[in-house]
Amino acid sequence: GEDVEQSLFLSVREGDSSVINCTYTDSSSTYLYWYKQEPGAGLQLLTYIFSNMDMKQDQRLTVLLNKKDKHLSLRIADTQTGDSAIYFCAEKGRYGGSQGNLIFGKGTKLSVKP
Amino acid sequence: DAGVTQSPTHLIKTRGQHVTLRCSPISGHKSVSWYQQVLGQGPQFIFQYYEKEERGRGNFPDRFSARQFPNYSSELNVNALLLGDSALYLCASSLIIRSYNEQFFGPGTRLTVL
Repeated sequence: GEDVEQSLFLSVREGDSSVINCTYTDSSSTYLYWYKQEPGAGLQLLTYIFSNMDMKQDQRLTVLLNKKDKHLSLRIADTQTGDSAIYFCAEKGRYGGSQGNLIFGKGTKLSVKP
Repeated sequence: DAGVTQSPTHLIKTRGQHVTLRCSPISGHKSVSWYQQVLGQGPQFIFQYYEKEERGRGNFPDRFSARQFPNYSSELNVNALLLGDSALYLCASSLIIRSYNEQFFGPGTRLTVL
């Protein structure tokens, strides 16, 4: 079946790096995503990685993919207080025949202390 | 350009009532997906519509239904509301549904069932 697991909380100091981890179960997942949700808001796509890549870097964000272990991580360099939010890992599912639905983890709440 | 819009932003209903939630996709986007996000959880896929046809359905009871109109806007209907239907309902639009497709999320409708 399809399932995405994440740790629920992470607390870091401003200026440090944050690493948020995720494991997924569907080895046929072609795309994996990281979304950010701020309080009272919808979801914002931060970055994604295609399954044939090991790493993707986008400014302060680095995504690492270990396909063998089905492990995905998001590293945020120089974490700022504005990065405080809930981060969701998601994989592209095929639930109910859909070609585009997303399977989300429960989210990791990142708290950045000044 | 306007993003995905949803109405209403907040809604309070009582058990047994029905509710209609509305979503307008980004201009030019032909696919709309609906997700339910219960407090403390990640979003769960409910439906996906593309070109006015249902293309995917998640594991939700028949009390949940949806449709997509010729202008690609969409409605989500929930009948016989239960307390457990209290959640943030998110709508996402995308250009297409094949291969990589970025889903853009609206701010959501927060439904409270008393």
